[in-house]
Amino acid sequence: ETGVTQSPTHLIKTRGQQVTLRCSSQSGHNTVSWYQQALGQGPQFIFQYYREEENGRGNFPPRFSGLQFPNYSSELNVNALELDDSALYLCASSLWQGSSYNEQFFGPGTRLTVL
Amino acid sequence: LAKTTQPISMDSYEGQEVNITCSHNNIATNDYITWYQQFPSQGPRFIIQGYKTKVTNEVASLFIPADRKSSTLSLPRVSLSDTAVYYCLVGEGGLTGGGNKLTFGTGTQLKVEL
Repeated sequence: ETGVTQSPTHLIKTRGQQVTLRCSSQSGHNTVSWYQQALGQGPQFIFQYYREEENGRGNFPPRFSGLQFPNYSSELNVNALELDDSALYLCASSLWQGSSYNEQFFGPGTRLTVL
Repeated sequence: LAKTTQPISMDSYEGQEVNITCSHNNIATNDYITWYQQFPSQGPRFIIQGYKTKVTNEVASLFIPADRKSSTLSLPRVSLSDTAVYYCLVGEGGLTGGGNKLTFGTGTQLKVEL
């Protein structure tokens, strides 16, 4: 069983550019969430996808968008990059089966630097 | 979502028991308490979760008093490899609740020395 993987590990972009980050969920998981973690802070929830549909969104502008594919892999897209978008972007997958809690398994993250 | 308060940092020595307390005065009836551990440049890792009283697994114990307004994560006999940031989270379980929309605070930086 493979864990959650993310690509790329590091990325450098300039202000105004667009970026796509990728996540491969743990095998069998149907839910993926994305988080942004600024230096010295805890992760902040961006949005979640369940069976290819968005199922909840945090306090992030529309230029943050996502996709979940039939194989449950996922993408995070950020348009019009700003300097404050520099952060570690984490993907977490889980299997929701209607239970009261669904343990989330995090990937190692993608370190995005915006210059 | 209930706000949590925990110490910014703690220091300990190898072999000691470490207790990290988290305050969550506004916890709701349906809220669970969950702790995550995070090493530098890695994603958080689930440690333990509980609703009330005491929960124990192979790595930690979680103590929750009757009023549930606080909780204590207990790490027995810590080692250098336990140096990490520990997050206390409170939220409702389930897909439509907050269980999958984790709200992290700034966490507690635990430093273990020889």
